[in-house]
Amino acid sequence: QKEVEQDPGPLSVPEGAIVSLNCTYSNSAFQYFMWYRQYSRKGPELLMYTYSSGNKEDGRFTAQVDKSSKYISLFIRDSQPSDSATYLCAIWLSSGSARQLTFGSGTQLTVLP
Amino acid sequence: GAGVSQTPSNKVTEKGKYVELRCDPISGHTALYWYRQSLGQGPEFLIYFQGTGAADDSGLPNDRFFAVRPEGSVSTLKIQRTERGDSAVYLCASSLETSVSYNEQFFGPGTRLTVL
Repeated sequence: QKEVEQDPGPLSVPEGAIVSLNCTYSNSAFQYFMWYRQYSRKGPELLMYTYSSGNKEDGRFTAQVDKSSKYISLFIRDSQPSDSATYLCAIWLSSGSARQLTFGSGTQLTVLP
Repeated sequence: GAGVSQTPSNKVTEKGKYVELRCDPISGHTALYWYRQSLGQGPEFLIYFQGTGAADDSGLPNDRFFAVRPEGSVSTLKIQRTERGDSAVYLCASSLETSVSYNEQFFGPGTRLTVL
């Protein structure tokens, strides 16, 4: 079992739709939870991160973490064609000298105009 | 300012050859990471440098892979006796000095390695 499992997609939605992207994780020691966006042939870029259960909002994006069920989500409101990309959940663990980001496999999102 | 740069952007090599991939981190970033991303997968951690030393190399798949960062800035990932299974995008990221708390990692565009 992978440490981070992500709904694989691909996902295709009409412009203006609400998008829900989801991941589960297995290691309760994970400390920070983040969402990255990756455009084709580019490196991932950080969208949002949080370390506590609950919701964190940034514009049209809301990250949600439920540590009790080891579940993280990203919601995109009023989706735009420019949101079309691969979305990666990632979880950070710092232990001793280790500093590791563990990524999900990514969900490819297409927002149709 | 300039972001993380990686060279070459593409590398095609033959099975059994040796390759070097270079990463130039953001100036002032003491932490540097290498990841490997296979098609349709998320990045997979390989190695983390704090300054010149490899603080965590637990992600290196085998002894054919080696990375250095001799002056605490530029890093080189070295792969010996390449295999077709090494074909992937190799990503480099850098961040400010890390403690227990997370510091944002800034990724380069990657080097696409193809082993024929």
